[in-house]
Amino acid sequence: AQSVTQLGSHVSVSEGALVLLRCNYSSSVPPYLFWYVQYPNQGLQLLLKYTSAATLVKGINGFEAEFKKSETSFHLTKPSAHMSDAAEYFCAVSLYGGSQGNLIFGKGTKLSVKP
Amino acid sequence: GAGVSQSPRYKVAKRGQDVALRCDPISGHVSLFWYQQALGQGPEFLTYFQNEAQLDKSGLPSDRFFAERPEGSVSTLKIQRTQQEDSAVYLCASSIRRQGVGGYTFGSGTRLTVV
Repeated sequence: AQSVTQLGSHVSVSEGALVLLRCNYSSSVPPYLFWYVQYPNQGLQLLLKYTSAATLVKGINGFEAEFKKSETSFHLTKPSAHMSDAAEYFCAVSLYGGSQGNLIFGKGTKLSVKP
Repeated sequence: GAGVSQSPRYKVAKRGQDVALRCDPISGHVSLFWYQQALGQGPEFLTYFQNEAQLDKSGLPSDRFFAERPEGSVSTLKIQRTQQEDSAVYLCASSIRRQGVGGYTFGSGTRLTVV
């Protein structure tokens, strides 16, 4: 069965510092992987997705993630944090095929950005 | 419409009351998903529609939960005899492709509070 583990429920960085949000997955078949961002009282917005093409995926707002099969990881990074990046971030895994189009989400990591 | 619209935005129900939550997906989107997000948790899959067909309802927590999408567009999630553990944000998402491959567009959710 697929699962997602996000290490750290809360990450705090200073404005301008590197952002690193960790995600490890478990899947018996090649996965589709996603990062979503959720601002307070809003739905989830897709940041980026990995669908077995390039292992380094670039997303919106300067975020990127690298798929590492050997480490079963899909960590999210941004070189320089901005105050507007403060939000909750969710990693998710999906299988393609059958009725397995639903996403399995991690518990989320809340990112705080200090001025 | 331009995005996924959910109504009502907030709902307070007395325990035992029936509620109906509405989702208007993006026009032409084939896939429609419902997720439940408890406080401090990631979203959890409830059910999936491909057009009007409910192909997966494995995530519905009990027979008090019922979802429909009779004409393949608007969907309603109904919860009968609400309980306090039903308090959560209910998210709807739609995708132009079957199975939601490639990612979804989420609505802002309905926050249900059962008192």
